Amino acid sequence: AQKITQTQPGMFVQEKEAVTLDCTYDTSDPSYGLFWYKQPSSGEMIFLIYQGSYDQQNATEGRYSLNFQKARKSANLVISASQLGDSAMYFCAMRDSQTGANNLFFGTGTRLTVIP
Amino acid sequence: DSGVTQTPKHLITATGQRVTLRCSPRSGDLSVYWYQQSLDQGLQFLIQYYNGEERAKGNILERFSAQQFPDLHSELNLSSLELGDSALYFCASSVDAGGLGTDTQYFGPGTRLTVL
Repeated sequence: AQKITQTQPGMFVQEKEAVTLDCTYDTSDPSYGLFWYKQPSSGEMIFLIYQGSYDQQNATEGRYSLNFQKARKSANLVISASQLGDSAMYFCAMRDSQTGANNLFFGTGTRLTVIP
Repeated sequence: DSGVTQTPKHLITATGQRVTLRCSPRSGDLSVYWYQQSLDQGLQFLIQYYNGEERAKGNILERFSAQQFPDLHSELNLSSLELGDSALYFCASSVDAGGLGTDTQYFGPGTRLTVL
């Protein structure tokens, strides 16, 4: 069965520092996609970054990068030069291949707090 | 702004009632997904529609139903409401149906349902 695990309920980081949010996954499918979303206190879900299982390079989007270690089944999100606006919940998600559709199933999230 | 719109933003109702949540996908997106976010269950996939047809079902209760109309907007109907149905309901949209490549889901701002 597929599974997403985020083991850090909460993380703190100093402004301007980098932070890594952990995500491990379990799947028997050779082809899969991994996503990270940000949920600020206002509630909306904001797409941050995507990593495909066959992508040769780690994904990057601005200050966000994904440390993808396929053999270890981990897809950690790295946020560089943290800003106060980065304080939010962060969810790792995987595309559900069981249904043959495109729905996502999510980890439990990590609450990031950026300290000035 | 993701381009996905949801109405209403907030909904307060009583147990036993029925409500309808509405979603308009991003322009050009054919797939609509509904998710429920609650404190005890986290983020859960409910149902997906693609171009008017039901595509995949998740943990959707029998009291809940959805449809996608010819103009691609979707409605989620919740009936015989219980206290435990209080949650944030998200609609998301994507271009494709079957999880090809980087097909990303973009989320609306959500409807916060409170059942009293």
